[in-house]
Amino acid sequence: DIQMTQSPSSLSASVGDRVTITCRASQSISSYLNWYQQKPGKAPKFLIYAASNLQSGVPSRFSGSGSGTDFTLTISSLQPEDFATYYCQQSYSTPRTFGQGTKVEIK
Amino acid sequence: QVQLVQSGAEVKEPGASVKVSCKASGYTFTTYGISWVRQAPEQGLEWMGWISAYNGDTNYPQKLQGRVTMTTDTSTSTAYMELRSLTSDDTAVYYCARDAGELGANDAFDIWGQGTMVTVSS
Repeated sequence: DIQMTQSPSSLSASVGDRVTITCRASQSISSYLNWYQQKPGKAPKFLIYAASNLQSGVPSRFSGSGSGTDFTLTISSLQPEDFATYYCQQSYSTPRTFGQGTKVEIK
Repeated sequence: QVQLVQSGAEVKEPGASVKVSCKASGYTFTTYGISWVRQAPEQGLEWMGWISAYNGDTNYPQKLQGRVTMTTDTSTSTAYMELRSLTSDDTAVYYCARDAGELGANDAFDIWGQGTMVTVSS
């Protein structure tokens, strides 16, 4: 199984900050990497597919990059509604696997 | 609008089975697949498997092989996930999510159900 490791596990940031979350795969997954946002008590929301493609309706302050084993999710200017937990997920092979999540909290 | 609506919360005793439903609307059901993902309390996301709504093909992780069965009813655009021999470790919120119609690389879970809480307790 491909292991997905996110860092950090949590971070504190202020509104307007630039935030970067890293996701590392245990083997190369090309660009087959997706990102999701989850708020407490809610289902995950699909943000980015194929490492860098923004899902329709997702604000442009979100961006993704990377290929191979190392990927990043960047929020260019953190907004109050962005405080949530973010998960990466590989779609290179089965079983599909997720990172452990990164919780973005208010500083 | 495109949505997935899941069945309500369940409480089961250890050793029992649970069957969760996921009704799709707003899109052509048989063009896509459905993946199931669960989340134990305060934990991360775990993929439980995929089913094609087109031909019923399935793919389950080895960890759940023999204990999980996914089916679809195309007449009602509904997907089902049955999990047997429940233990306390199966206590979680279970989500269905729209996935690709054929399981290949580069698919994603673009639409999610609201989640179904399954509690396993004696």
